Amino acid sequence: KAGVTQTPRYLIKTRGQQVTLSCSPISGHRSVSWYQQTPGQGLQFLFEYFSETQRNKGNFPGRFSGRQFSNSRSEMNVSTLELGDSALYLCASSPAGWRAADTQYFGPGTRLTVL
Amino acid sequence: AQSVAQPEDQVNVAEGNPLTVKCTYSVSGNPYLFWYVQYPNRGLQFLLKYITGDNLVKGSYGFEAEFNKSQTSFHLKKPSALVSDSALYFCAVRVLTGGGNKLTFGTGTQLKVEL
Repeated sequence: KAGVTQTPRYLIKTRGQQVTLSCSPISGHRSVSWYQQTPGQGLQFLFEYFSETQRNKGNFPGRFSGRQFSNSRSEMNVSTLELGDSALYLCASSPAGWRAADTQYFGPGTRLTVL
Repeated sequence: AQSVAQPEDQVNVAEGNPLTVKCTYSVSGNPYLFWYVQYPNRGLQFLLKYITGDNLVKGSYGFEAEFNKSQTSFHLKKPSALVSDSALYFCAVRVLTGGGNKLTFGTGTQLKVEL
């Protein structure tokens, strides 16, 4: 099975712009979660989608949003970019997400640099 | 709220020696514990998990972890370290409250294996 794929792998944007990141989960997985990784804050949970519905949300401002499509692919959007949004954005998929044994499998990440 | 602590920012070990990367957790319900490894400019790779049952969990690449409920610990171990094990290791906890699929990560431990 192919793993989780994320596009693009690298992005450079300027302050005030918006950006959309894409994630394709492992085939058959219906839960997609997003995390932000920075040197200062570590790995932080952004949100999770299951069956096109946001099921969990982390403590991020409303500039961060996401959605999931019927084929389980997910996108996240960051509007009005700030310098502090520079980070590695990781997507993870799991079969259903509500079972204790479900494991999240991560993609390679999208490295976003905001200038 | 659940939390995970990795008390060591860095662990150095000689190749061939046993290694231990420490993790302690704090949860109000049953803990579901995970270890991931991250190589430079890569996403997280799943190593192993504890859901229930045997306290010694075996995972990928010769790694294992010991769950200790009384000490609320889940230390990662390997009997004989390799230089290629050098990477950033994350412990994570997941609690099934209200459904959903959120992992809370520790701050990470940089493992350096030297010849």
